[in-house]
Amino acid sequence: KNEVEQSPQNLTAQEGEFITINCSYSVGISALHWLQQHPGGGIVSLFMLSSGKKKHGRLIATINIQEKHSSLHITASHPRDSAVYICAVRRGSNYKLTFGKGTLLTVNP
Amino acid sequence: EPEVTQTPSHQVTQMGQEVILRCVPISNHLYFYWYRQILGQKVEFLVSFYNNEISEKSEIFDDQFSVERPDGSNFTLKIRSTKLEDSAMYFCASSDSLAETQYFGPGTRLLVL
Repeated sequence: KNEVEQSPQNLTAQEGEFITINCSYSVGISALHWLQQHPGGGIVSLFMLSSGKKKHGRLIATINIQEKHSSLHITASHPRDSAVYICAVRRGSNYKLTFGKGTLLTVNP
Repeated sequence: EPEVTQTPSHQVTQMGQEVILRCVPISNHLYFYWYRQILGQKVEFLVSFYNNEISEKSEIFDDQFSVERPDGSNFTLKIRSTKLEDSAMYFCASSDSLAETQYFGPGTRLLVL
């Protein structure tokens, strides 16, 4: 079983829709990262969370430590949001990030 | 805004050849990382580097791999004798502390023939 599971694997939405991407993990963590990977391959860090909720523009990330679950929400989605969204976790004082397989989001105009 | 840069963007090499992938992390960052992503697969951690030494490495990071920070600005990943299965996108990242966001470079796409 993967340490980090994301759902759905693929998501297609219409412009303006509210998007939710989920991430579950099986181990205790010290931090969870949400990343965006563009079609060209570049990776951009969106959020790093250890508790609660963070908001940046139209993006909101939440984490429930007890349930080992995080969600990434996109409000008023736009075609430029089309990308792969990746959840990654760090355990304890370890340096490494363990990645999920990603969710491919396609937002149609 | 400061960014992580990587060179080359693409490299094609023959199996058995040595390759060096270069990264320039953000200048005040102290923690450096290499990751790889085989086509169609998830991103995998290779190695982290702090205080001029490897702080953690994965099982992928065997004796064929080495990292170096030769001059205080560059951070390099060397693969001594490339294999076909080393073909992947290699990402460098840096952060200013363990608890902070990692900033990723644009990646080097390595193709081993």
